[in-house]
Amino acid sequence: NAGVTQTPKFRVLKTGQSMTLLCAQDMNHEYMYWYRQDPGMGLRLIHYSVGEGTTAKGEVPDGYNVSRLKKQNFLLGLESAAPSQTSVYFCASRSGTDFYEQYFGPGTRLTVT
Amino acid sequence: AQSVTQPDIHITVSEGASLELRCNYSYGATPYLFWYVQSPGQGLQLLLKYFSGDTLVQGIKGFEAEFKRSQSSFNLRKPSVHWSDAAEYFCASLDSNYQLIWGAGTKLIIKP
Repeated sequence: NAGVTQTPKFRVLKTGQSMTLLCAQDMNHEYMYWYRQDPGMGLRLIHYSVGEGTTAKGEVPDGYNVSRLKKQNFLLGLESAAPSQTSVYFCASRSGTDFYEQYFGPGTRLTVT
Repeated sequence: AQSVTQPDIHITVSEGASLELRCNYSYGATPYLFWYVQSPGQGLQLLLKYFSGDTLVQGIKGFEAEFKRSQSSFNLRKPSVHWSDAAEYFCASLDSNYQLIWGAGTKLIIKP
């Protein structure tokens, strides 16, 4: 099993450009999460999904949109990138019955210039 | 609001020495607590978790953590560190919505 995968691994954007980050999981998990990680701040939750077709805002949702059209995929979109969105983005998933363990992807390092 | 505090931004330990990473939480009820490790350029991996019962929990890679309610702490320990333990360590707690609340992380540096 691949677990949780993220595409791409690295990306450089200019201010105002848009992009989509893809997260895929092959564990049939109901819950999926997008976090951003910034130095000295730990992980902060951007958006999450409790199932196919549903999404919800996390702690820092502004400037991001998400979609969960298929259970295995969770997309994070930046419509108009800003330098403040330079970060490492992590996707995670967990099952609906195991409330406790989230499984993480390897991360996407995004730089906005 | 719930919070998790890791007081040490980075810690340097000699290879073979013992290690203790500190974590403090703020939560009135019994918390669900976790330690994750992030190796350079990698995602996060769960080391261990505490929900209830025995306050000393064993994890992977020889790590253990002790829950102390009186001190609101969940410190991570290892008797003898290896160079491969160099990584960033995150303490986290579940909130009432089953979302993870993260500490800022402690970077572990191993001296040869």
